[in-house]
Amino acid sequence: QLQLQESGPGLVKPSETLSLTCTVSGGSITSSDYYWAWLRQAPGKGLEWIGNIYNSGSTAFNPSLKSRVTMSVDASKNQLSLKLRSVTAADTAVYYCASTTTIVRGAIERWGQGVLVTVSS
Amino acid sequence: DIQMTQSPSFVSASVGDRVTITCRASQGIGTWLAWYQQKPGKAPNLLIYSASSLQSGVPSRFSGSGSGTAFTLTINTLQPDDFATYFCQQSSGFPFTFGQGTKLEIK
Repeated sequence: QLQLQESGPGLVKPSETLSLTCTVSGGSITSSDYYWAWLRQAPGKGLEWIGNIYNSGSTAFNPSLKSRVTMSVDASKNQLSLKLRSVTAADTAVYYCASTTTIVRGAIERWGQGVLVTVSS
Repeated sequence: DIQMTQSPSFVSASVGDRVTITCRASQGIGTWLAWYQQKPGKAPNLLIYSASSLQSGVPSRFSGSGSGTAFTLTINTLQPDDFATYFCQQSSGFPFTFGQGTKLEIK
């Protein structure tokens, strides 16, 4: 069964870059069965879709974050990565990596456990 | 962006009750609608996709309906494990967006 695990610093300073990694097990990150997403949830708030990355390497980002986001895949390590530049306190959130398939039509089937990232000096 | 509005924001119910949560989209989304359950400190869990398809492993007391702009999640015969927060999510237009959540509390 597919499992996802996020990792990265829990504290990032304002104006710096947030960098997270998601390790995928139980399936290949290059499989055409899946595509991948990053989402976040600010404390006590709702969920925000950051973007998708497909097995072709193509990406789709939320316009509200597009200018600051990079997503990539490392097939050799079966990992996804997320970089968010020029962070502010508003970027404090639990960040999730996730997977979906065409079967569930854009719903998220598998979630990582999430990692809390706090932006503070 | 497509705005998703859930109602109510809070609902109080008892074990054994039937509960209905509504989600409205700011424009038509066909049946590109999913429902999730989230418990404190945990990632959301997919319950329903395509507005009415039950995700594998989800109890049959959960059901979804609707199309276009109006959708409902119904939970029949509430169990203690069902007290949580529920979100809807549209995947018709990018960026995919979520409702603000409905917290289901024990009466």
